[in-house]
This record gives sequence, C-alpha cells and structure tokens, in this order.
Amino acid sequence: QQQVKQSPQSLIVQKGGISIINCAYENTAFDYFPWYQQFPGKGPALLIAIRPDVSEKKEGRFTISFNKSAKQFSLHIMDSQPGDSATYFCAAIRVRAAGNKLTFGGGTRVLVKP
Amino acid sequence: DAGVTQSPTHLIKTRGQQVTLRCSPKSGHDTVSWYQQALGQGPQFIFQYYEEEERQRGNFPDRFSGHQFPNYSSELNVNALLLGDSALYLCASSLGTETYGYTFGSGTRLTVV
Repeated sequence: QQQVKQSPQSLIVQKGGISIINCAYENTAFDYFPWYQQFPGKGPALLIAIRPDVSEKKEGRFTISFNKSAKQFSLHIMDSQPGDSATYFCAAIRVRAAGNKLTFGGGTRVLVKP
Repeated sequence: DAGVTQSPTHLIKTRGQQVTLRCSPKSGHDTVSWYQQALGQGPQFIFQYYEEEERQRGNFPDRFSGHQFPNYSSELNVNALLLGDSALYLCASSLGTETYGYTFGSGTRLTVV
C-alpha cells in the first residue's frame, strides 16, 4: 500500500531555475514530513522537514510548502545548481508510534543542466 | 564522529542462498531500522530493532530476519534468496523509537543471480 505518492518521477531544470516536487499522503496520523536527498551509491540524507502545524519552512534554497487540508506537500529548490542533481524522496512518519517507520514516496530524479 | 557503517558494500549471491548484512549505528544511537530500496524506487521499511527486540515489522516475509546485539549493532538475514531480493539494503539508526532523527548508511548492494 503506497501511502505517499510523489511526482514527477524525473525533471530537468536549467541552472538557476526552480525545481518543484509534489507529494500527497493518505494517513492523517502522520505528524512529520521530511525530505531526503540521495546521491548515487549513497544512502538518503535528511534535507529539510516540516510538521503539519506549519504551512511553510525555508532553509537556504530549499522550501517546503504544506497543505494539511489537501494532504499535500511540496519541495521547491530555488536557484538550482548542478550539485543539486540527485534523487529526492519525500517521506512521512508517525513520530510517537511505537517502532515508528518512515514511509517514502517513489522518488524524483532531478537533473540540473549547467 | 562515525556515521552509520554497513558491510559489505556489495555482494552477489545465488538464488536459494542465505545472506547476512551488518550495520553499526551512529555513535550515541540505540535503535536500528532496515529498509529495502529496489532500483528506481523509494526505500521500503523491513523492521526496527530496539533493546535487542524487533519493535515493528513491515510487509516482508519471514525469510527476512534480524538481530540486534548489546552494542546496538545489527544484522539482517535473508534466507532462500529470490531474484526479487536484489536491492540496496539500507540501515538507519536513531536514538529511541519515538524520533524523527534517522541517519542512514550508504547501504549494501545485493545482487541475486
């Protein structure tokens, strides 16, 4: 059962452009929504995260927008750089659930062209 | 400060064989979770170990089993390997079970032929 749906599967953006990745979730019990960045041959690394009581969070060039009523959230990468080329995963988790687990989206492969 | 260490980095096994993957958590972490990441997909939760016990299990068959040792390190065992078990196996460590502070290792790439 895929509880977090992510789109698009891939995108190409020019250097300096904006990358936008969207996710939708089903389980309203989720209470934390992280985004992970993964480079080839490496494990996922936490990029930025948001709680559902906040509508937007910005860290440097990365911004999460959160729409609780629509059960959707998105990642915006501003001023995209070639070094941002990676696969991005949204995820959701019930932090206070015993044996909590991350539920990941399917991933978005981002290619930033110089 | 060492992060999560996994071994081996790559291995090739034959169908029907058994495999053991190992994980050392980040210093200060006491909980280990295992994920399977098939090519081109997001990681899928296998199970989580805390205080040497399996705390939660994902939708994986009993061929997948694990263990946590007193030093918090962990092993993932897969019996009767299938071609479909070919994937990147990720270990994530955290402090406690009610947390969002997961650190992932670089994974073990398992190929079943």
